[in-house]
Parts: sequence; C-alpha cells; structure tokens
Amino acid sequence: GAVVSQHPSRVICKSGTSVKIECRSLDFQATTMFWYRQFPKQSLMLMATSNEGSKATYEQGVEKDKFLINHASLTLSTLTVTSAHPEDSSFYICSVRNLDTQYFGPGTRLTVL
Amino acid sequence: KQEVTQIPAALSVPEGENLVLNCSFTDSAIYNLQWFRQDPGKGLTSLLLIQSSQREQTSGRLNASLDKSSGRSTLYIAASQPGDSATYLCAADAGKSTFGDGTTLTVKP
Repeated sequence: GAVVSQHPSRVICKSGTSVKIECRSLDFQATTMFWYRQFPKQSLMLMATSNEGSKATYEQGVEKDKFLINHASLTLSTLTVTSAHPEDSSFYICSVRNLDTQYFGPGTRLTVL
Repeated sequence: KQEVTQIPAALSVPEGENLVLNCSFTDSAIYNLQWFRQDPGKGLTSLLLIQSSQREQTSGRLNASLDKSSGRSTLYIAASQPGDSATYLCAADAGKSTFGDGTTLTVKP
C-alpha cells in the first residue's frame, strides 16, 4: 500500500490570498500524484495529474494559472490556490499511484471568506 | 471518457436489513474498482478494492463484486446498522480514478 498525508487539514483564508496545500507520500516514491476537488454534496472531480519533474496535466475546465501544482520530489506535491475566492472553497484531496492502485490522502478543507 | 453512475442516489432502510448499492462504468478497461465510505465533512475511507482480475472482495459485513464485461459493481451490506449511515462512493481506476456521485445511506434504528 501507500500512506498519504496532507497539510494542512483545514485552512481558512481571506479572499485574494494564496493558499498552499501539501501532499506527501510517506512510504513510497510516487512519480504520479493526483489532485481532486469536492464541492459540498458533490462527488470528487479530478483537477490535475502531477508528474515528478515535469508540468502537471490539467483536466478540462481547470485553470492552470489559478491552481499551481508543483511535484518537485518523489514524495511531495503541492497545490497552490492563487488569489483565492469564496467559490474556491472546497475539499481538496490528493492521491498517489503505486503500481495499479491509487491511495488517497485525508483531504484539506479550504474555506475562503 | 470514463463515466461512473451510482444508483440509488439515496437509500433509507431500517436497521438489520441487507442492502445493495450499484455502480456502473462505461469504460471496462480498468485496473480496479474501489468502494469508499465518506462521513459528512470527512475524507475517504477505503472499504474494498477489487482488481480487474478479481470477481469479488469481502470484508466483514461488506461484499463487493465486479463484472468488468458489463461495467458493473455492487456493494452488498449485510445486517445494516445505524453506524453504516454515510455516503458510499465507487471509483473506477483506468489510469486515474473516476468517481460516481455516491449513494447516501441512512440506516434507521
């Protein structure tokens, strides 16, 4: 398996500020990580696929300049929500791929006031 | 593009009943199918993972089956309890996981 952590677990920020969320693979070197977003009472939607050492691949409709993803090492990927607005308030979950299985982090709840 | 559908969207049963949650997916070229539980305001708890070469997996009162050719999976919960109340999500992994919208289960005492 794989153990995935996220930090912070919860963040509240003012509109216009930027927020960075970290995703760590604790026991496995992950060349591929994924970022999902879940709005209230909705399912998880894939935002982007993060590849170590290269640019992330964003899903259709996701603004790459707003959601900056950096996968600088095999154990860490970061998602930065730039100039956050209330509509960015959501639950953000990362996952890592180990062989043919994805393992999910505990999620980060972002509230933008 | 993979599409995952879960039926029903919501289900309310009295305690003790056996129940079945359904998940269908359009692209059968999957690595695995995973069932999760999500409590309100919380993250995902993985319940069962069925690899593409497997037909079913069991854990306690839970049994999940997979029919890749027909694009279907079911989650069977035996002798339901109020503590089983949650949203159940299935995810089909064909390189990246695609989630269904979930089934919200309420088990009444």
